[in-house]
Amino acid sequence: DGGITQSPKYLFRKEGQNVTLSCEQNLNHDAMYWYRQDPGQGLRLIYYSQIVNDFQKGDIAEGYSVSREKKESFPLTVTSAQKNPTAFYLCASSNRTNTEAFFGQGTRLTVV
Amino acid sequence: EDQVTQSPEALRLQEGESSSLNCSYTVSGLRGLFWYRQDPGKGPEFLFTLYSAGEEKEKERLKATLTKKESFLHITAPKPEDSATYLCAVQAWGNFNKFYFGSGTKLNVKP
Repeated sequence: DGGITQSPKYLFRKEGQNVTLSCEQNLNHDAMYWYRQDPGQGLRLIYYSQIVNDFQKGDIAEGYSVSREKKESFPLTVTSAQKNPTAFYLCASSNRTNTEAFFGQGTRLTVV
Repeated sequence: EDQVTQSPEALRLQEGESSSLNCSYTVSGLRGLFWYRQDPGKGPEFLFTLYSAGEEKEKERLKATLTKKESFLHITAPKPEDSATYLCAVQAWGNFNKFYFGSGTKLNVKP
C-alpha cells in the first residue's frame, strides 16, 4: 500500500540528547514536510523540501535539522538546542503541484 | 499575514443532530483550502480540497463549502464515529510551499 511511514511511534529523549525521527514515503511525491503539533494549537511547519538535496526552514526551525538525500526519505533531528521538544511530530508529503498533503501517523516525543 | 481561524473550538452533538464547523481565513490569493479529520494520537486524514468560492464537495455525511472569506464543514445526521478533530488548512498562490493550519474543532457525537 502507498503511504507515509513514521517511526518510532513513541520516543523518549533525555535532556541534552539529539534524536532522529524517521519519515519514509512510497507515494513518489516530490515535496515533504515536518510539522509540530502541541495541544490546542494548529500544526506548525518546521522544515520542508521540494526536491532531493534541497530543503527550507519553516516557521519554527530553531533546534531542528533535516536532510533529503533520497526522494523517499526526510528524517528530522531534534537537537539539544530545542528547548521544548515534547510534542507530536507529523511528516507529510505532496506531489509536484503541491496540492493536498498526506500525513503519516506521527511520532510522540517526550523529554524525560 | 496568512492565517486560519476555526470555530467553535469544541462541539458536542447528539447523534443525528446536524451542525456546521467554520473555518475563516485570511490569505493573499487562495490557491486551495483543505479539510482534514484527525483522530486522537493519529495523523490527519485528508477529506476535501476546495479551490474557488461557490465550490462544494461531499463525502458521506460531510459537505464542505467555500466562500471568499470562509469555509464550512456541514455534518448531517452525525454518528458517534464522526467524533474527531477537524482541521482546516489554506495554501496561498504566492507561497504554495506552505499549508497554514487552524487549531481545529473537536467534535464529540454522543449516542
